[in-house]
Amino acid sequence: ETGVTQTPRHLVMGMTNKKSLKCEQHLGHNAMYWYKQSAKKPLELMFVYNFKEQTENNSVPSRFSPECPNSSHLFLHLHTLQPEDSALYLCASSHSGTGPKKLFFGSGTQLSVL
Amino acid sequence: AQRVTQPEKLLSVFKGAPVELKCNYSYSGSPELFWYVQYSRQRLQLLLRHISRESIKGFTADLNKGETSFHLKKPFAQEEDSAMYYCALSGSSNTGKLIFGQGTTLQVKP
Repeated sequence: ETGVTQTPRHLVMGMTNKKSLKCEQHLGHNAMYWYKQSAKKPLELMFVYNFKEQTENNSVPSRFSPECPNSSHLFLHLHTLQPEDSALYLCASSHSGTGPKKLFFGSGTQLSVL
Repeated sequence: AQRVTQPEKLLSVFKGAPVELKCNYSYSGSPELFWYVQYSRQRLQLLLRHISRESIKGFTADLNKGETSFHLKKPFAQEEDSAMYYCALSGSSNTGKLIFGQGTTLQVKP
């Protein structure tokens, strides 16, 4: 599949569970992003990776741990989450470099923390 | 602080009526502004960006630095325009950080 693919589409987890969200892009991009979309709130940037290096951490709690093993894959490892972490988690990718970026988004993972 | 404000959560118009989705921003430097759209059961996608000065699907948006606005306009709305619209701002850094507004749902009635 081309574009940005996120798995799983839906995830329900308890507060003591450990789970991971996966994102994969086949667009040849070198920048990848995690965004959080909560009800009644704007999309919030969580992390940015450029050429596998983390270039932005938007004061995200340590219970969210990103991993970018290569430019095509991005993970978000979750552990001891809180119910307020329930949200839609969106992955995006773009070209790196200067200038404004056109982001390509995945369909998201709808996360519910019980 | 960087901020994007979309004052309307819902905008409902009849088919053929003009549409204006409002967006105001706060940024001390020279911003880059975008409109993203999410149609029902589709992923979020770029609609247009101000540097391109383009018209996409009949929509245009002009950056007004004096009023710090980037309103999205279309002279004649179509039912297929019904979607969630997000205004976004990118600052001068190279990290690709986009700040999004809360979004406006556009509902075009037949």
